[in-house]
Amino acid sequence: DGGITQSPKYLFRKEGQNVTLSCEQNLNHDAMYWYRQDPGQGLRLIYYSQIVNDFQKGDIAEGYSVSREKKESFPLTVTSAQKNPTAFYLCASSIRGQQSYEQYFGPGTRLTVT
Amino acid sequence: ELKVEQNPLFLSMQEGKNYTIYCNYSTTSDRLYWYRQDPGKSLESLFVLLSNGAVKQEGRLMASLDTKARLSTLHITAAVHDLSATYFCAVDGETSGSRLTFGEGTQLTVNP
Repeated sequence: DGGITQSPKYLFRKEGQNVTLSCEQNLNHDAMYWYRQDPGQGLRLIYYSQIVNDFQKGDIAEGYSVSREKKESFPLTVTSAQKNPTAFYLCASSIRGQQSYEQYFGPGTRLTVT
Repeated sequence: ELKVEQNPLFLSMQEGKNYTIYCNYSTTSDRLYWYRQDPGKSLESLFVLLSNGAVKQEGRLMASLDTKARLSTLHITAAVHDLSATYFCAVDGETSGSRLTFGEGTQLTVNP
């Protein structure tokens, strides 16, 4: 089955530790995205990548880093510099260069930092 | 900067009633997307509207797009409890490439 997977579903970390969230897709999509969602809020774009080995900052990139070494994978590292990392993190992907840029979302990772 | 505004942000309605959620955006775009999010879950695509005057319907939900007014509506007909969720609209501006800008979401509660 084609889709987007994120792991783990729940993640707990202590303050001061870096943590990496996984996002993999087998939809053959060129573009991938990371969003953060806080309780009762909308989505905020952290980073996005439209092609392998290239990525752009979104609206809230500070304290986060990404890599895009493979088309299928777009991991997100939450660094200790991120002040309030506890949130729900969503990964998405879309086809690039088509009429529609509909994004398909993974199931999300809920990160709790104490 | 592209802005997307939804209203209302909170909507409580009775089963069987009709209502409309509005999505206004600030820049030229022919493409608008509606998503549904259940509590604690990810986003699920509902509708993709790709041109002025586009109308899509699925069950009790109907979405439309007026690009001249920069407005999309999501109309709910004879609401049922299963429609309780948060609904997001999203727009990709002509200069934003593939990135979408999302509205704040409308939290819909359908009461028996």
